[in-house]
Amino acid sequence: GAGVSQSPSNKVTEKGKDVELRCDPISGHTALYWYRQSLGQGLEFLIYFQGNSAPDKSGLPSDRFSAERTGGSVSTLTIQRTQQEDSAVYLCASSLDSYYQPQHFGDGTRLSIL
Amino acid sequence: GIQVEQSPPDLILQEGANSTLRCNFSDSVNNLQWFHQNPWGQLINLFYIPSGTKQNGRLSATTVATERYSLLYISSSQTTDSGVYFCAVSTQGGSEKLVFGKGTKLTVNP
Repeated sequence: GAGVSQSPSNKVTEKGKDVELRCDPISGHTALYWYRQSLGQGLEFLIYFQGNSAPDKSGLPSDRFSAERTGGSVSTLTIQRTQQEDSAVYLCASSLDSYYQPQHFGDGTRLSIL
Repeated sequence: GIQVEQSPPDLILQEGANSTLRCNFSDSVNNLQWFHQNPWGQLINLFYIPSGTKQNGRLSATTVATERYSLLYISSSQTTDSGVYFCAVSTQGGSEKLVFGKGTKLTVNP
């Protein structure tokens, strides 16, 4: 597609439930990034994929968070046993490759944990 | 890790005014980008500018990598320029993850 596509755009769920967030990067982009934006923490990095591998997972806040990427394209971020502090906007970005390239962001998924 | 500081945190302008936003960073970078987050939350890529100067219409940016700062210039501001402007960097030798500053919130009044 023309841009980075994320779904759903909004997700409301109860505490303790699992959620899956999807990112479809720009066609041909090999690098994919997940970030999240919350009022208290600003914009923070979660995980980076180059192809299907994740060389940098340093931003994942706990083992409840995991992500995968298949076919060098679509990525899924999964949060298990959601907590209220997981409420945030989850943003996905992609770039042509991982070095010296601008990152282009999707519109994000707004996650609200009740 | 690298620190990114943006100033001013808030800026209020009348339509037509010019402004300069600043980004200071604490280490050498191989990627520096300026973004505009509009009131709907969309992050729009303005410039990829790890060094040098670029211009796009009423916006221009300059990065002086040796002195570890970047400037974003907005001329003849319009109400549609309102939003939050973020500077983000990644460091040499690290992964390509972006570290964001806290942003400058710009309000342009008619």
